[in-house]
Amino acid sequence: DAGVIQSPRHEVTEMGQEVTLRCKPISGHNSLFWYRQTMMRGLELLIYFNNNVPIDDSGMPEDRFSAKMPNASFSTLKIQPSEPRDSAVYFCASKDGLATYNEQFFGPGTRLTVL
Amino acid sequence: QQQVKQSPQSLIVQKGGISIINCAYENTAFDYFPWYQQFPGKGPALLIAIRPDVSEKKEGRFTISFNKSAKQFSLHIMDSQPGDSATYFCAARGTSGGSYIPTFGRGTSLIVHP
Repeated sequence: DAGVIQSPRHEVTEMGQEVTLRCKPISGHNSLFWYRQTMMRGLELLIYFNNNVPIDDSGMPEDRFSAKMPNASFSTLKIQPSEPRDSAVYFCASKDGLATYNEQFFGPGTRLTVL
Repeated sequence: QQQVKQSPQSLIVQKGGISIINCAYENTAFDYFPWYQQFPGKGPALLIAIRPDVSEKKEGRFTISFNKSAKQFSLHIMDSQPGDSATYFCAARGTSGGSYIPTFGRGTSLIVHP
């Protein structure tokens, strides 16, 4: 299996622009998580889905952030409009079964820089 | 959010030495304690994990020690190697209620000098 796939790997954009990050979870995994990692705040959970349904988005920092999972093999995290403080590495992770001891697998991340 | 407190923030060890990273948790519903290893430019990857029915788990040079009464667990890296240089995260979660979402420590940056 190719693991969790994220694209793009790097994104540089200007303040005010829309940014869309993409994730393809591991086939067969029914739980998907979006995290943000910064030096200041560490690894933060933004939102997670179970069977394509958003379960908890309380970690989403503002209304500028939105996430969708239209099907079991694809999810997006969108920031509109983007701001410099959104600069971070964004990770997607997937897991087989939400409330189990199964492990979650992280993608390689998207490094976002907002100028 | 329930916290997992991790220390130290950074650690420098000589090759062959022992690296020790400590974590403490609050939520007694947690019953699964994984450690993740993250290399620069990569996502975190599971290194080793323990459930509270045992006090220690060893996999090669990596050992988790678990103290349920103190709500503490630690990672020991024996014979540390330069290739172990990475950021290490502890985490804790359960399998019921809202505790199944992992809570991560802030991470420890480990540097192993040759």
